[in-house]
Amino acid sequence: EPEVTQTPSHQVTQMGQEVILRCVPISNHLYFYWYRQILGQKVEFLVSFYNNEISEKSEIFDDQFSVERPDGSNFTLKIRSTKLEDSAMYFCASTYAGYSNQPQHFGDGTRLSIL
Amino acid sequence: RKEVEQDPGPFNVPEGATVAFNCTYSNSASQSFFWYRQDCRKEPKLLMSVYSSGNEDGRFTAQLNRASQYISLLIRDSKLSDSATYLCVVNEGNTGKLIFGQGTTLQVKP
Repeated sequence: EPEVTQTPSHQVTQMGQEVILRCVPISNHLYFYWYRQILGQKVEFLVSFYNNEISEKSEIFDDQFSVERPDGSNFTLKIRSTKLEDSAMYFCASTYAGYSNQPQHFGDGTRLSIL
Repeated sequence: RKEVEQDPGPFNVPEGATVAFNCTYSNSASQSFFWYRQDCRKEPKLLMSVYSSGNEDGRFTAQLNRASQYISLLIRDSKLSDSATYLCVVNEGNTGKLIFGQGTTLQVKP
């Protein structure tokens, strides 16, 4: 069964440094998402992306965050200047269509630790 | 009021038991509903979509009550492998943005 893959599985970064999290969505999917989950808390929506544009973003997704689809397969989340509170699991997800009834398929996540 | 609310549990049940989880959502315009399962520090995995008429998948039954803004999940004949956190998830519109509940933890014991 096709799956969403994410790299790295664990990233340790000094506060203030830039970090790029990478995702390869399922190959025929067109809609891409990033979520995060702080330890012990619920999963939170960050951003949705379609047709090389952000469709929607949450309040968490401030100017420090950006997303990009640099080629036909990768979907990246960049945090420009990391803060301690950015420490979390980051999950990428994708769907073929953007309808609300389409279940999203999640990658196994990147654990980001900010020191 | 929380957008999606669940009893965090934990629910501790013996193998073979039937257990039910409930969830409420605040936005009456919400369009789609799902139950996801999350094992410790892993990604959410889709358990089942929830349809207005209710739906069943093996030992799992999901119900939706739009009037009460209430979703339920029933697990029959619990297995040890059902131990996990069950996430109630709502999509409010056509943007694809999913709103997650905090999750309900289930521990099935021998």
